[in-house]
Amino acid sequence: AQSVTQPDIHITVSEGASLELRCNYSYGATPYLFWYVQSPGQGLQLLLKYFSGDTLVQGIKGFEAEFKRSQSSFNLRKPSVHWSDAAEYFCAVGVGNTGKLIFGQGTTLQVKP
Amino acid sequence: DTAVSQTPKYLVTQMGNDKSIKCEQNLGHDTMYWYKQDSKKFLKIMFSYNNKELIINETVPNRFSPKSPDKAHLNLHINSLELGDSAVYFCASSQQTGHEYFGPGTRLTVL
Repeated sequence: AQSVTQPDIHITVSEGASLELRCNYSYGATPYLFWYVQSPGQGLQLLLKYFSGDTLVQGIKGFEAEFKRSQSSFNLRKPSVHWSDAAEYFCAVGVGNTGKLIFGQGTTLQVKP
Repeated sequence: DTAVSQTPKYLVTQMGNDKSIKCEQNLGHDTMYWYKQDSKKFLKIMFSYNNKELIINETVPNRFSPKSPDKAHLNLHINSLELGDSAVYFCASSQQTGHEYFGPGTRLTVL
């Protein structure tokens, strides 16, 4: 069965520090992978996605993610975190062409001044 | 110009009542979805419609009934509300797999 695991429920980083949020997936075929961000009281916004090709994908707001098939991972990174990045981050895998997304549990990012 | 809008934003009601949440998208997308986010922020798909046709129907109690009058609207009607239905319900739309645009959510509280 398809699943997504985000091992870190809560992460705190200092402003200006680098960030890596982990995501592991379980999926039988080549996955479609996504990272979404949810600011407090808001809906979700797509940060980036991987369908095929280059395994390092660039997204909005300075985020990038790397697909590693051997590790079944799709970790999200940002070289320098801003206070406005504090939010909930969700990794998701897309199921075929159905449009269905299976989400991980989310990681809450707190940014210290 | 709001891409995906939902009404109401907050809904507080008593157990046993029937309520509806409305969703509209002005992006011209063919596919619309309903997701439920529980108190632990876990997101799970409930339904999806493509051009007014139901294509995903997850294991959801049949008290929940989606209705799509046209491809720009997908409403969610809930009968006989229960305490466990309290959650945030998100509507979303997409034209391609995975790039879903989410509405702001409707926080439903059942007392």
